[in-house]
Amino acid sequence: DIQMTQSPSSLSASVGDRVTVTCQASQDISDYLNWYQQRPGKAPKLLIYDASILETGVPSRFSGSGSGTDFTFTISSLQPEDIATYYCQQYDRLIFTFGPGTKVDIK
Amino acid sequence: QVQLQESGPGLVKPSETLALTCTVSGDSISNYYWTWIRQSPGKGLEWIGYIYSSGSSSYNPSLKSRVSISVDTSKNQISLKLSSVTAADTAVYYCARVVRGVTDWGQGTLVTVSS
Repeated sequence: DIQMTQSPSSLSASVGDRVTVTCQASQDISDYLNWYQQRPGKAPKLLIYDASILETGVPSRFSGSGSGTDFTFTISSLQPEDIATYYCQQYDRLIFTFGPGTKVDIK
Repeated sequence: QVQLQESGPGLVKPSETLALTCTVSGDSISNYYWTWIRQSPGKGLEWIGYIYSSGSSSYNPSLKSRVSISVDTSKNQISLKLSSVTAADTAVYYCARVVRGVTDWGQGTLVTVSS
């Protein structure tokens, strides 16, 4: 089974800061990697698919990169509404696996 | 715009079978993948399984022996059954549609396993 790790598990940053989250797969998953935002009490929302493609309607301050086993999610300028938990998710070999999540707070 | 609504008992006894239904409106369930995902209180997301509208499916290996997902195209519904539940199965259960990723989500329904 493919395992996903994320780091950090949580972070605090100031409004306007650049925020970076990393996700690592236990084996090569090509670019079969999505990123989600989950605000408290809400269902998750797809932000990035296929590692780097921005979902329609998602602000351009969100971006993703990487392939193989190492992936990065970036918020270029943190906004108050970005307070949420962010999850990576792989979908290689007909199996989905979520990362453990990264909780982002405003400092 | 597609809408998904989960329904079913909010309380299930240990060792019994959890059964949920997801009713889809605003689009046909045909020609899409549909998935169930759960989230234990205060925890992360756990994929349960998915099904294509034709009936082909894939399940989380850790739950595979207890899970069944089915589709009813005539009712535009997807169903989940999870057998032999324990307190560890207490969670918010989401149904969702898979397009580019897991694109469209229901609001989720809390299922508590308790006697």
